[in-house]
Amino acid sequence: AQSVAQPEDQVNVAEGNPLTVKCTYSVSGNPYLFWYVQYPNRGLQFLLKYITGDNLVKGSYGFEAEFNKSQTSFHLKKPSALVSDSALYFCAVRADNYGQNFVFGPGTRLSVLP
Amino acid sequence: GAGVSQSPSNKVTEKGKDVELRCDPISGHTALYWYRQSLGQGLEFLIYFQGNSAPDKSGLPSDRFSAERTGGSVSTLTIQRTQQEDSAVYLCASSLAPELGYGYTFGSGTRLTVV
Repeated sequence: AQSVAQPEDQVNVAEGNPLTVKCTYSVSGNPYLFWYVQYPNRGLQFLLKYITGDNLVKGSYGFEAEFNKSQTSFHLKKPSALVSDSALYFCAVRADNYGQNFVFGPGTRLSVLP
Repeated sequence: GAGVSQSPSNKVTEKGKDVELRCDPISGHTALYWYRQSLGQGLEFLIYFQGNSAPDKSGLPSDRFSAERTGGSVSTLTIQRTQQEDSAVYLCASSLAPELGYGYTFGSGTRLTVV
């Protein structure tokens, strides 16, 4: 079975500070890992993904994430937060050898305070 | 088209009425998914279509929910005898080849309100 945990419902950071949104996963097999962002009253937008290769992946809007196989984590990071980064962030995973359906985490609401 | 298109963007319906939600995926995307998102919450999987294979309906919450995908393209999600707990944003997504690591492209959703 596949599962995704986002242990924090809410993350608050001050503008200009680094931010981290945590994600851990459980799959049988190698994971495909994704981050999506949802701005208010909008659909989900793709941020970045890890399929294979370098553990550090860079994505849209200055975000990056590091795949850590030993800790089964894929935390989302940004060196300097912007107020406009305030949104709902979803981590998603599927195994490369299991079905076709991604499992989404419950989401983490990021608030960047000016 | 350039993106996943959903219609209507908003729908208000009376309890007990039937509603149809439409999704037009990206051309060439063989996989199509429906999810439901309650106010500010996570995504609840509803149904998945892949090519000509039988759909995965394991997420449909009751037999009042059904979906079809005609010609491998446009999909319609139908909710019969709507209830207030059906109120949510219904999101459609498509993918070129999820088995190869392609992600989803989401539509903007249909906000359904049952009064």
